[in-house]
Amino acid sequence: DSGVTQTPKHLITATGQRVTLRCSPRSGDLSVYWYQQSLDQGLQFLIQYYNGEERAKGNILERFSAQQFPDLHSELNLSSLELGDSALYFCASSPLRTSGRYEQYFGPGTRLTVT
Amino acid sequence: AQSVTQPDIHITVSEGASLELRCNYSYGATPYLFWYVQSPGQGLQLLLKYFSGDTLVQGIKGFEAEFKRSQSSFNLRKPSVHWSDAAEYFCAVGEDNQAGTALIFGKGTTLSVSS
Repeated sequence: DSGVTQTPKHLITATGQRVTLRCSPRSGDLSVYWYQQSLDQGLQFLIQYYNGEERAKGNILERFSAQQFPDLHSELNLSSLELGDSALYFCASSPLRTSGRYEQYFGPGTRLTVT
Repeated sequence: AQSVTQPDIHITVSEGASLELRCNYSYGATPYLFWYVQSPGQGLQLLLKYFSGDTLVQGIKGFEAEFKRSQSSFNLRKPSVHWSDAAEYFCAVGEDNQAGTALIFGKGTTLSVSS
């Protein structure tokens, strides 16, 4: 158990809909990352938040957005869903270390199926 | 741009035999390198990491990896494979943005263990 929790575990929805995925980082971790894992694209970095602010952006679609709240939990919002958005979405967190060298701890993922 | 290549999509090894999974990276500066393992239906677990210093790093579950700057490689090894090692293995390189390390993953290598 990494200490990172994600809800829900599974999500089935229809095209055009909007969903919200939730992540709670490990206690004390300030950075939260979102990744998408799909068969064709593999594991891709989407976005990172650090202490409530967006810090880095990867291959995140404009239909997707995220935020990190004062209690440090994060939500990933996916809208106007398409079949191709079906994937496993991971959240990871990392601590703050002055050395600037970090490792990430991954949650169990949310499997999204768009029908 | 950073990239990670795992040349082997699928490897089968006999139980008790040695294992080497290959990873090549492309990165301008000193890379932060990681190996993660993903068992079916599970999240990603960190096996080991390289930040600097000794180029041979030890990880959990008896795994080790060697960083070779001249070859831009970070190959994962295990002297004797167990059936429980069957999983998917991901090599990743990280870019430090002073608040963490967004990871770029390879496509993964699926390891099967035969008896």
